[in-house]
Amino acid sequence: GNSVTQMEGPVTLSEEAFLTINCTYTATGYPSLFWYVQYPGEGLQLLLKATKADDKGSNKGFEATYRKETTSFHLEKGSVQVSDSAVYFCALSNTNAGKSTFGDGTTLTVKP
Amino acid sequence: DVKVTQSSRYLVKRTGEKVFLECVQDMDHENMFWYRQDPGLGLRLIYFSYDVKMKEKGDIPEGYSVSREKKERFSLILESASTNQTSMYLCASSMGSGYHNEQFFGPGTRLTVL
Repeated sequence: GNSVTQMEGPVTLSEEAFLTINCTYTATGYPSLFWYVQYPGEGLQLLLKATKADDKGSNKGFEATYRKETTSFHLEKGSVQVSDSAVYFCALSNTNAGKSTFGDGTTLTVKP
Repeated sequence: DVKVTQSSRYLVKRTGEKVFLECVQDMDHENMFWYRQDPGLGLRLIYFSYDVKMKEKGDIPEGYSVSREKKERFSLILESASTNQTSMYLCASSMGSGYHNEQFFGPGTRLTVL
């Protein structure tokens, strides 16, 4: 079956630090890969996605590259801000019904 | 702006009560989902629906049922609420077939069962 493994949190960084949140997956076929973000008190929202190998998704300074050879989709940002404090979820989808498998989430806190 | 709305942000119910959680989307999406979110357990799929009146069990359907009479509305029903169903419930929707499409989430309903 499908599974997504995320770097365990919580992660605490100072403002302007470099961020990496690791994500690896197990799935059959060629899944699409997603990063979602959940700000306090809200539902999840899409941060970025990649639909085939070597694609790079990017949004709001965040990037992730679909690496099929290492089955990974690590999230990176060069300089985090306090407003980036949130929970980040890695997810994959490989079914036509649109079902996704989510990682457990990684909590990021950025301190000024 | 696309939207998924949930009927309540906070709900308190008593053990044994029948509980209805409502979700409405305005994007004409075919697929709708119900998840529960618990600390340390991530998101777990309860039920999903890929068309009106169609439903499939997710990973943890026990103690829950669903109803989808109209395309825009997907209801989660707790037939007899129990304290272990205290959780955050998230509804989501996505477009059609194909697995490139992201899910759009509502703000969540925090349910407490006393």
